[in-house]
Amino acid sequence: EIVLTQSPGTLSLSPGERATLSCRASQSVGSRYLAWYQQKPGQAPRLLISGASSRATGIPDRFSGTGSGTDFTLTISRLEPGDFAVYYCQHYGNSLYTFGQGTKLEIK
Amino acid sequence: QVQLQESGPGLVKPSETLSLTCSVSGYSIDNGYYWSWIRQPPGKGLEWIGSIYHTGSTDYNPSLRSRVTISVDTSKNQYSLKVTSVTAADTAVYYCARDWRGWDSVDYYYHMDVWGKGTTVTVSS
Repeated sequence: EIVLTQSPGTLSLSPGERATLSCRASQSVGSRYLAWYQQKPGQAPRLLISGASSRATGIPDRFSGTGSGTDFTLTISRLEPGDFAVYYCQHYGNSLYTFGQGTKLEIK
Repeated sequence: QVQLQESGPGLVKPSETLSLTCSVSGYSIDNGYYWSWIRQPPGKGLEWIGSIYHTGSTDYNPSLRSRVTISVDTSKNQYSLKVTSVTAADTAVYYCARDWRGWDSVDYYYHMDVWGKGTTVTVSS
């Protein structure tokens, strides 16, 4: 089973700054199997990125995903107040899904 | 617009069975997609529980497989979750979600694109 480790656990930034969130897999995975979600307090997760780099419908181009092998990155180019939330990466493989433990993006 | 809605008891006694239903509107389960359950204990991260295809084929998280059953009722456009022998560790917000796996006219994708709002289940006597 693939283990996803996200870093940092908490990221403190200001609106307008650039956020870089990391997701590391315990072994090499195919890019198409990696997705990112955003979750705000009291809400369900929302799909942001699929296939490591493809934005989901309605997701602004401030959000971008890159990476391959074991290292994947979610970048938010210019933080807006609504971007402060918890972000999860997710992997699919061998008919099961695993999630990273999450990165909390908070206002500095 | 596709919508998913979880329903079921909010309180379950230890050792009993947790039962939840996800009602799907705006899309027929028969048309495809997998349909998943995910849970989130208070203050913690997301845990995938399992998924079902409209044919009834299922995948389960190995850590929960012995206690979990997911079933589908295409006539009602619903699918359900049962977790047996619950303990306090099963206390969580339970989400249902539409689960896409495979070719999407451009590339292969594996993700959950539509989620219910979630329902809180507390295990307590």
